Amino acid sequence: NAGVMQNPRHLVRRRGQEARLRCSPMKGHSHVYWYRQLPEEGLKFMVYLQKENIIDESGMPKERFSAEFPKEGPSILRIQQVVRGDSAAYFCASSRGAQSVEQFFGPGTRLTVL
Amino acid sequence: LAKTTQPISMDSYEGQEVNITCSHNNIATNDYITWYQQFPSQGPRFIIQGYKTKVTNEVASLFIPADRKSSTLSLPRVSLSDTAVYYCLVGQGDSGAGSYQLTFGKGTKLSVIP
Repeated sequence: NAGVMQNPRHLVRRRGQEARLRCSPMKGHSHVYWYRQLPEEGLKFMVYLQKENIIDESGMPKERFSAEFPKEGPSILRIQQVVRGDSAAYFCASSRGAQSVEQFFGPGTRLTVL
Repeated sequence: LAKTTQPISMDSYEGQEVNITCSHNNIATNDYITWYQQFPSQGPRFIIQGYKTKVTNEVASLFIPADRKSSTLSLPRVSLSDTAVYYCLVGQGDSGAGSYQLTFGKGTKLSVIP
């Protein structure tokens, strides 16, 4: 049973470009969460999605960031017009239910903005 | 969400028992205490969760005193592969909005020395 998959593992973008990060949850999990981790910091919650619905995006920056979890396919975190401050590790997690004891994390995507 | 305080770093020799204590003075009645482990360049991994007294699984033990204002993660006979950052999280206890938002601090960086 494959775990949470994220791709790409590393992504380099120049300022002003778009970054698309993908996350495939564990089989049987319909709840997806995105977190951002800056160097030497803990993870910060960004957004929680279920299939075709954004449940909570309170941790998402108001501009340039968006997320989706379509009926078919992976969840996508999209960052438009990236800036250097967007450089971070972005982790996706999934769970069977919102009240599940644990969230299962993917390996993360390390975004570097030049 | 209850704030947590834990040591920034700890060193231990292989084979020793390691105890990492976390303070959470403002823990709410319905909050649980959860510990995650994160290896470099990987996503966090759930270790253990408890509400009160003692919880033990195949990886660790979690000790929670009666007042629940602190908790101690105990790792028996650590090995080099236990070198990681350990996060103490408090919350997830209620079924209301936000209970799925995992709040990570900076964690405790455990270094196991041969």
